[in-house]
Amino acid sequence: DVVMTQSPLSLPVTLGQPASISCRSNQSLLYSDGNIYLNWFQQRPGQSPRRLFYKVFNRDSGVPDRFSGYGSGTNFTLKISRVEAEDIGVYYCMQGSHWPYTFGQGTKMEIK
Amino acid sequence: QVQLVESGGDLVKPGGSLRLSCAASGFNFSDYYMSWIRQAPGKGPEWVSYITNSGSAIYYADSVKGRFTISRDNAKNSLFLQMNSLRVDDTAFYYCARDHHGASNWGQGTLVTVSS
Repeated sequence: DVVMTQSPLSLPVTLGQPASISCRSNQSLLYSDGNIYLNWFQQRPGQSPRRLFYKVFNRDSGVPDRFSGYGSGTNFTLKISRVEAEDIGVYYCMQGSHWPYTFGQGTKMEIK
Repeated sequence: QVQLVESGGDLVKPGGSLRLSCAASGFNFSDYYMSWIRQAPGKGPEWVSYITNSGSAIYYADSVKGRFTISRDNAKNSLFLQMNSLRVDDTAFYYCARDHHGASNWGQGTLVTVSS
């Protein structure tokens, strides 16, 4: 199985400041159709996960543009330019290129 | 808008069975691959299974292979998960999700608790 490793696992943040989460896979996520199926999800307390990005950098509808996703090969990053209170929760990267699809351990973002 | 509503979760004893359902609306159900993803309390999500739009191909995680069966009824815009030989470590919220490569939309989940 593809192992997805996130860091940090805990991310204390200051409102208005930037934040960044790293995600690494232990093998290439290049799929046979030429796409890299690397996704980012946000899970607020008590809610279902919500997808933020698909295929590395494609922002889902309704996701604020202070969020950005980038990366290539086996290294990927989710960045928030200025953290707001509504961003608090757990963030997961997930690969959908190789079955079984796998998630990272999650990064818990909380106010410092 | 896309809506996915799961049902069927319950408290069941080890070795028991449950059938989960997911009612889909707001999109052309028969055009999309569909998935079941579970999340044990306090843990990260785990992809359980997915089924192609026509139902012609199905994939299972090793942890459920031989015990769980995914199916769909395109005429009724519904997705199902038949769970047999349930174990304590199957305890989780079970989510229905649209797509497979990226799970674009999730339902609110239904809780399955396996305990004696």
